[in-house]
Amino acid sequence: EPEVTQTPSHQVTQMGQEVILRCVPISNHLYFYWYRQILGQKVEFLVSFYNNEISEKSEIFDDQFSVERPDGSNFTLKIRSTKLEDSAMYFCASSDEGAWQPQHFGDGTRLSIL
Amino acid sequence: QKEVEQDPGPLSVPEGAIVSLNCTYSNSAFQYFMWYRQYSRKGPELLMYTYSSGNKEDGRFTAQVDKSSKYISLFIRDSQPSDSATYLCAMSGLTGGGNKLTFGTGTQLKVEL
Repeated sequence: EPEVTQTPSHQVTQMGQEVILRCVPISNHLYFYWYRQILGQKVEFLVSFYNNEISEKSEIFDDQFSVERPDGSNFTLKIRSTKLEDSAMYFCASSDEGAWQPQHFGDGTRLSIL
Repeated sequence: QKEVEQDPGPLSVPEGAIVSLNCTYSNSAFQYFMWYRQYSRKGPELLMYTYSSGNKEDGRFTAQVDKSSKYISLFIRDSQPSDSATYLCAMSGLTGGGNKLTFGTGTQLKVEL
């Protein structure tokens, strides 16, 4: 069964550094998402992306965050200057095109900011 | 009032028990309802999704939606130790593709031998 893959599984970064999290969505999917889960808290929506542009973003997704589809298979989340509170699991998801389609998630990248 | 409320548990049941997991919500715009299962250090895995009020069955799992009461449930019959995981309810509106999901906090389930 096709799946969403994310790399790396664990990223450790010094505060203030830039980090890029990578995702390969399911190949025929056209909608892409990033979610965040701080330890012990619920999964929170960050951003959705379609047709090479952001379709919706949450208030968490401020100017420090950006997303990109650099080629036909990858989808990335960049955090420009990381803060301690950015430590979390980051999940990528994708869904097919249509009136409503379920989202399928990767196993996440655990981001630890020191 | 939180948009989605879910009892965090933990919930511990013996093998073979019927498990009932529940969420309530306050936002009338939610039209699609999902249940995800999350094992430790893994991503949410889609179990079931439904749109209309009523029941939807898939093997040992039944999803129930009551839009009038803003209440959804997931029933697991003949629970197995492999069902031990955190169960997340999630919801979205009906605005076309690319809908953001709003999650509950998750209920941690342990099925004991």
